[in-house]
Amino acid sequence: DTGVSQDPRHKITKRGQNVTFRCDPISEHNRLYWYRQTLGQGPEFLTYFQNEAQLEKSRLLSDRFSAERPKGSFSTLEIQRTEQGDSAMYLCASSSRTGGNEKLFFGSGTQLSVL
Amino acid sequence: GNSVTQMEGPVTLSEEAFLTINCTYTATGYPSLFWYVQYPGEGLQLLLKATKADDKGSNKGFEATYRKETTSFHLEKGSVQVSDSAVYFCALSDDKIIFGKGTRLHILP
Repeated sequence: DTGVSQDPRHKITKRGQNVTFRCDPISEHNRLYWYRQTLGQGPEFLTYFQNEAQLEKSRLLSDRFSAERPKGSFSTLEIQRTEQGDSAMYLCASSSRTGGNEKLFFGSGTQLSVL
Repeated sequence: GNSVTQMEGPVTLSEEAFLTINCTYTATGYPSLFWYVQYPGEGLQLLLKATKADDKGSNKGFEATYRKETTSFHLEKGSVQVSDSAVYFCALSDDKIIFGKGTRLHILP
């Protein structure tokens, strides 16, 4: 069990640029979540996958955000035309869901700064 | 939609004091409930959970009871330690997992 891995740890970009983050979940986990967290706030749900299927995307999420999990393993989160308001910590978590019993394992996150 | 509301922090207590952090939820159906903790410089990790009404989750001296009648899942500990200083998040799962805003806890020696 190597844990949930996220890359990069930090990303600084200029407004209007596109950025892509990667998440490698724990290998046998079928669920993968993306959250966004700003200082002093809880993790805000963005989207989640069961295997390669995207089950839900937050209605609050702009169309500039897209996520994929092409083979049910790693996932990418892309933000197009970044804005300063996108600056946040982007967290990935994975789980092996059985019934209603689910324990999330979080990665260390990608800290995005949009200048 | 479903949501979680928890008491605002920060909460500052002296060592060995009794702790309560309030959490209430709004949900259709019968979600599972969780407390996650984030220690300084670390990622979020599960502290305890309860999957049905009247279940009590417990871990590391912390407890929380799933109260359907009051839609609550308050976190308690009888005697806190300095090492309990962290941010605590209440969460629910109706399939996806959603979190409250977090409560920062400071324990003074």
